[in-house]
Amino acid sequence: QSVLTQPPSVSAAPGQKVTISCSGTSSNIGKNYVSWYQQLPGTAPKFLIYENNQRPSGIPDRFSGSKSGTSATLGITGLQTGDEGDYYCGTWDSSLSAGVFGGGTKLTVL
Amino acid sequence: EVQLVESGGGSVQTGGSLRLSCAASGFTFSNYWMTWVRQAPGKGLQWVAYINQAGTEKYYVDSVEGRFTISRDSAKNSLSLQMNSLRAEDTAVYYCARGGLVRGITHWGQGALVTVSS
Repeated sequence: QSVLTQPPSVSAAPGQKVTISCSGTSSNIGKNYVSWYQQLPGTAPKFLIYENNQRPSGIPDRFSGSKSGTSATLGITGLQTGDEGDYYCGTWDSSLSAGVFGGGTKLTVL
Repeated sequence: EVQLVESGGGSVQTGGSLRLSCAASGFTFSNYWMTWVRQAPGKGLQWVAYINQAGTEKYYVDSVEGRFTISRDSAKNSLSLQMNSLRAEDTAVYYCARGGLVRGITHWGQGALVTVSS
């Protein structure tokens, strides 16, 4: 049972848009920055979004992040088959004094 | 180019010990917080431990507190995770990572597999 809640799976057609939600509490998302990670099959995770909505260099603007209250959202537009994989949100939990991840969301591009 | 290379993974019996190491290069190691994250087979990511630049602040997930110790050697640009009293549920790929979940984990190693069995 993860501290942060994500939908297990989402799907959409190539070229379409998808959003992935990440729900937390006032001690984690409500108080700290959220980051997002992409894990393609058989590979290590990759840094996608930091400080709620900032993209590291090299990440295309098809990927976006937002945060409101105790929830965060990852958006992906112009879906490509190469985007298929697992996506994780993460943040710091100030009550636990620990890092926490969501359970992950499997993206399928139909 | 930032590189993080883990070593020391392998198979161990329940109750045994293992030490993971991570060789860092391509950046000023002493300037960054460092993190260990693990992923059990077929499961999601789990944050394990976090150490500050000087090695004076350390945080652990509850399930490893008292059994695992994170440490760093800035002279050798190396991060370590000493794992004692290993349990079957510690079986996972362990990733060495730069940064933390406060501001974001920017770079990840390729991972080291640890298998704990009876």
